[in-house]
Amino acid sequence: DADVTQTPRNRITKTGKRIMLECSQTKGHDRMYWYRQDPGLGLRLIYYSFDVKDINKGEISDGYSVSRQAQAKFSLSLESAIPNQTALYFCATSDPTPGLGETQYFGPGTRLLVL
Amino acid sequence: GENVEQHPSTLSVQEGDSAVIKCTYSDSASNYFPWYKQELGKRPQLIIDIRSNVGEKKDQRIAVTLNKTAKHFSLHITETQPEDSAVYFCAASHQGAQKLVFGQGTRLTINP
Repeated sequence: DADVTQTPRNRITKTGKRIMLECSQTKGHDRMYWYRQDPGLGLRLIYYSFDVKDINKGEISDGYSVSRQAQAKFSLSLESAIPNQTALYFCATSDPTPGLGETQYFGPGTRLLVL
Repeated sequence: GENVEQHPSTLSVQEGDSAVIKCTYSDSASNYFPWYKQELGKRPQLIIDIRSNVGEKKDQRIAVTLNKTAKHFSLHITETQPEDSAVYFCAASHQGAQKLVFGQGTRLTINP
């Protein structure tokens, strides 16, 4: 979905380095999410935000932090990267239908390699 | 919290045959069950979803069924085509949790 963009698309970094992944959206959605994808493990939620002042940990938040700079921007940081953070990272947005559930729209992903 | 199990992890079928992927969930309060398709090198995209107030939903060659009593739901793809080859993810959520929990994914390969 071209309305959700991620930068960079690919990144190689070294152990111990700080790295930031950025997500921007033009869909006007309040809710934004960061996932990591590993083979055989599906999509696991790292952090999510329901508005600019709301940040919540997901199931695998250790070693990560986030910043919601605006409704349209949600950044994920690895303070000190380690090799097992090598993965494909996806940002997603949603605008839930009240009382019924939600559809998530994913960005193109960032492939991160930590050496 | 919610836990979603998805089976099988890999599935290979002949072109034209049907494919079925199954998921179970643990939270009886879950009421929304989407399926996402992820083609190689692409982002996951929603292909079909079902709410807890219905038992089945169809969209051309794909259908999803839901058994609330047993807490499982399934994706059915009929007359499979090469372009159906992808990784498929199920997920579950309810309004109170306000977030999706995904299954582990199924890699579907359609053999010509």
